[in-house]
Amino acid sequence: DQQVKQNSPSLSVQEGRISILNCDYTNSMFDYFLWYKKYPAEGPTFLISISSIKDKNEDGRFTVFLNKSAKHLSLHIVPSQPGDSAVYFCAAKGQTSYDKVIFGPGTSLSVIP
Amino acid sequence: DTGVSQDPRHKITKRGQNVTFRCDPISEHNRLYWYRQTLGQGPEFLTYFQNEAQLEKSRLLSDRFSAERPKGSFSTLEIQRTEQGDSAMYLCASSLIPATNEKLFFGSGTQLSVL
Repeated sequence: DQQVKQNSPSLSVQEGRISILNCDYTNSMFDYFLWYKKYPAEGPTFLISISSIKDKNEDGRFTVFLNKSAKHLSLHIVPSQPGDSAVYFCAAKGQTSYDKVIFGPGTSLSVIP
Repeated sequence: DTGVSQDPRHKITKRGQNVTFRCDPISEHNRLYWYRQTLGQGPEFLTYFQNEAQLEKSRLLSDRFSAERPKGSFSTLEIQRTEQGDSAMYLCASSLIPATNEKLFFGSGTQLSVL
């Protein structure tokens, strides 16, 4: 039972255009959402997060949108750069500090120069 | 901040052998996690520690897997009688609880290949 879903295994975008990565979740108890980026042969690195009390969080070129009623979030990268090519993981956790972080299967983003 | 360190980076073993991995978290972090990742999948939770106490272990985890964090600093993950299905990237992450965000800091992982 996959609680965090990323239905697009891969995405290709032209340099300079917008990249939109989508994520859906099933557990209504999730309270905090994170995006991680992973390059080959490295561990995931934190990118951006959002609390359930917000519907948008922005950090430079990266913006995360949360739609709680639809149990959906998305990561927007504008403008996309070739260095953004990586696997992006959506992750979620519950309210308490004892809740673990659950990851989705990832979306591989390729930004074409 | 020296980051999360994992050793070894790669391990090749024969089926039936035991293997042990080490993780050194960021020094002031009290929470330490182990995850496993296979190709095309996201990191799958295995277990986590708060200081030296193991607070949760995935019910999907075989009894062949054991983890320790004896002094609340570094941690080891041991797999006994390895099977080919154990081949994966084993990731360690640490965090500071409580925190203003829930950010995990990951190491580079140990890539296990069971022949």
